[in-house]
Amino acid sequence: QKEVEQNSGPLSVPEGAIASLNCTYSDRVSQSFFWYRQYSGKSPELIMSIYSNGDKEDGRFTAQLNKASQYVSLLIRDSQPSDSATYLCAVKKGAQKLVFGQGTRLTINP
Amino acid sequence: SAVISQKPSRDICQRGTSLTIQCQVDSQVTMMFWYRQQPGQSLTLIATANQGSEATYESGFVIDKFPISRPNLTFSTLTVSNMSPEDSSIYLCSVVWENPNQPQHFGDGTRLSIL
Repeated sequence: QKEVEQNSGPLSVPEGAIASLNCTYSDRVSQSFFWYRQYSGKSPELIMSIYSNGDKEDGRFTAQLNKASQYVSLLIRDSQPSDSATYLCAVKKGAQKLVFGQGTRLTINP
Repeated sequence: SAVISQKPSRDICQRGTSLTIQCQVDSQVTMMFWYRQQPGQSLTLIATANQGSEATYESGFVIDKFPISRPNLTFSTLTVSNMSPEDSSIYLCSVVWENPNQPQHFGDGTRLSIL
């Protein structure tokens, strides 16, 4: 079992709809979770961090964490073509090590 | 916002040679890391660059292949030694700015191709 698992996609969503990205992790003691966006040919860019159970909203983005189910998700409301990218889920392991999932490739169709 | 600069941005190298990648930040950071992203894959941590001491390597990565230096709080280098085509990857530097609990931020990466 991989430490961090994501559906690799591709996930295709019409413009204006909600894109839902999911991630599960295996280490029950993990406390810090991150979503990075990576455009093709670019480096990862942090878009959300979440540390407590529940929802965290930032503009069109909402991160959801359920530690009991070991599940993290990212919702993107009012999806735009500029949201088309690969989204990487990362879980902090130990003091600072990040373990990344394989990434989900998201395409927003105009 | 603070800037993370990596040099070179890309290179094409011959097998058997070595390349040193630089990571420079414009303010002091608490932690610096080096990652590898192989084609079509996600990121894998190579090592934590420790200021003034030997880097801490992850399983599967060794100092002889990936020597790392961090002489101060704003600069680090990663050398990819005795390169083979399997080393063709993107190499990324990441930093944590102040509080060790803060997220990591990435440089633009170095795209390395080995012929």
